[in-house]
Amino acid sequence: QITLKESGPTLVKPTQTLTLTCTFSGFSLSTSGVGVGWIRQPPGKALEWLALIYWNDDKRYSPSLKSRLTITKDTSKNQVVLTMTNMDPVDTATYYCAHRRATTIGFFDFWGQGTLVTVSS
Amino acid sequence: SYVLTQPPSVSVAPGKTARITCGGNNIGSKSVHWYQQKPGQAPVLVIYFDSDRPSGIPERFSGSNSGNTATLTISRVEAGDEADYYCQVWDNSSDHQVFGGGTKLTVL
Repeated sequence: QITLKESGPTLVKPTQTLTLTCTFSGFSLSTSGVGVGWIRQPPGKALEWLALIYWNDDKRYSPSLKSRLTITKDTSKNQVVLTMTNMDPVDTATYYCAHRRATTIGFFDFWGQGTLVTVSS
Repeated sequence: SYVLTQPPSVSVAPGKTARITCGGNNIGSKSVHWYQQKPGQAPVLVIYFDSDRPSGIPERFSGSNSGNTATLTISRVEAGDEADYYCQVWDNSSDHQVFGGGTKLTVL
């Protein structure tokens, strides 16, 4: 059974760097084709894809946020970490991590519960 | 970058059929995935590869994709289907994931 859980601060100040950790079980991020993505959702708004890391350490970022994002993995700990620099109140959102199925055209078949991050001074 | 367009809202009476569209340039050439999100919950995959259903998703949920429009169809709508629905594709030209703006399904 695949599960994912996000963890990190619930409140960050403007200009600070946000670090979120996704801890997962039920799959290995060393399995060919597998990936873990981050998606966020501001209150009352739509889902927005942020980043994706593949089993082979290949990484992809949202074009609009690429300069502020870094995604890494620790396969031995079953964790994926997302950092976002220079946080702003508009970055207030629920942040989700999700498992990307190991297919040529991926999709997110399992999601974490999400963690709400508020950006405020 | 690739853009997916969804109607903000769709309303349907219980027992009727709801159709939620997702528009994109030549979207028929891509694989479309659909997610259901109820208030306060994480999204749940309901359709992948245009029309496949994950285990546990009722047969009432189906999908199609052709030309510039993909459609999620929910037959015999129930009150419990009231939720936001998002379409998603993989933009192979950029290797980026793209979500639509979401559609709020209201069961009258």
